[in-house]
Amino acid sequence: GEDVEQSLFLSVREGDSSVINCTYTDSSSTYLYWYKQEPGAGLQLLTYIFSNMDMKQDQRLTVLLNKKDKHLSLRIADTQTGDSAIYFCAAVFSGGYNKLIFGAGTRLAVHP
Amino acid sequence: GAVVSQHPSRVICKSGTSVKIECRSLDFQATTMFWYRQFPKKSLMLMATSNEGSKATYEQGVEKDKFLINHASLTLSTLTVTSAHPEDSSFYICSARDLNREISNQPQHFGDGTRLSIL
Repeated sequence: GEDVEQSLFLSVREGDSSVINCTYTDSSSTYLYWYKQEPGAGLQLLTYIFSNMDMKQDQRLTVLLNKKDKHLSLRIADTQTGDSAIYFCAAVFSGGYNKLIFGAGTRLAVHP
Repeated sequence: GAVVSQHPSRVICKSGTSVKIECRSLDFQATTMFWYRQFPKKSLMLMATSNEGSKATYEQGVEKDKFLINHASLTLSTLTVTSAHPEDSSFYICSARDLNREISNQPQHFGDGTRLSIL
């Protein structure tokens, strides 16, 4: 079946850049999303990229997409303590209702 | 931006009780809403896709009679956990997609989740 995989944990120093990686299996996924979840809360949409794009930048966030390798990454520049959260990669499953398939989530820890 | 309201945020109840969770899209209409379940430190598991005016589509392994879904209007979907037991304790999250945006460009907007604890 469709699958999305992510590294589970990332630790960075405050002010450094964070890069969270994701791979997916459905080559026909049209959109790929990044969501942020803080403890005990729902999911906040951070950004998304259409499959015909290679890169999308939105303030401190940069998304890179390698469609050939089915690899997606999220770069957070100048990482702050408020960025500490779980980040989920999600791919649209083309099989019906455009439902999302989520990765397991990457826990980002930012330390001084 | 699009807002999805989920209510209640937390429920604690006795085993055997039925619990209803509401998911509302506040500033947009949604023909499709999704219900997820999240276990501690785990990813979101899609339970079912809720369709306004028709039956929900359940994912494999999800009991239809256990998790009743009703999507009676374009802004409201409800999930009822019937005769809840401790193993049903979990974090339930709903999401909705804006009807008025092009289908291929519709991110899902999530509620804040409901933490269900069955004693």
